[in-house]
Amino acid sequence: QKEVEQNSGPLSVPEGAIASLNCTYSDRVSQSFFWYRQYSGKSPELIMSIYSNGDKEDGRFTAQLNKASQYVSLLIRDSQPSDSATYLCAVRGSGGSNYKLTFGKGTLLTVNP
Amino acid sequence: GAVVSQHPSRVICKSGTSVKIECRSLDFQATTMFWYRQFPKQSLMLMATSNEGSKATYEQGVEKDKFLINHASLTLSTLTVTSAHPEDSSFYICSAISAGGTDTQYFGPGTRLTVL
Repeated sequence: QKEVEQNSGPLSVPEGAIASLNCTYSDRVSQSFFWYRQYSGKSPELIMSIYSNGDKEDGRFTAQLNKASQYVSLLIRDSQPSDSATYLCAVRGSGGSNYKLTFGKGTLLTVNP
Repeated sequence: GAVVSQHPSRVICKSGTSVKIECRSLDFQATTMFWYRQFPKQSLMLMATSNEGSKATYEQGVEKDKFLINHASLTLSTLTVTSAHPEDSSFYICSAISAGGTDTQYFGPGTRLTVL
């Protein structure tokens, strides 16, 4: 059973702070890792994908992947109230043409003005 | 780029009726589309994987005769909820992967189904 674990939160940070979201996964041969943001009542939107160990930066967002530790994280710098949402970690395992993702249950982030 | 649309965005129907939801990739061809269901305060639950020109692959516990999926073209997949009941009320979301692109799934805006 492939599992993706996230702290459900809520994670509360003040505006301008760094928000750190964490995710662990059980399938050691997982290949692709994604962070999605989901506002209440809306569908997920892609923030970032990461495939290799290390950091990947895109604007205020940095994804970090450590395959040895089976750990992926998302850092949000200069957090804004508009970043308040549920953040979903998703992992694609091995399996060739099987593109199925396993989602975590999400972490609710609240950025306080 | 990578825009996925769904129609309708919201539907209310009576118990026992069937409802069809469309999922379209607007600016790319999608060989694979996925259908998810999400209940309030829960994460996405994959229902089925839809490949163009072939039968959908359903996840364990999902009734294929109740949730009919048709992926007739590289830009359109449909989900029909047959004989809907109140317990089918949920947020249905599709996603698509671009043929020849990466393995990133792009999500549609979702369809909120309410069965009375």
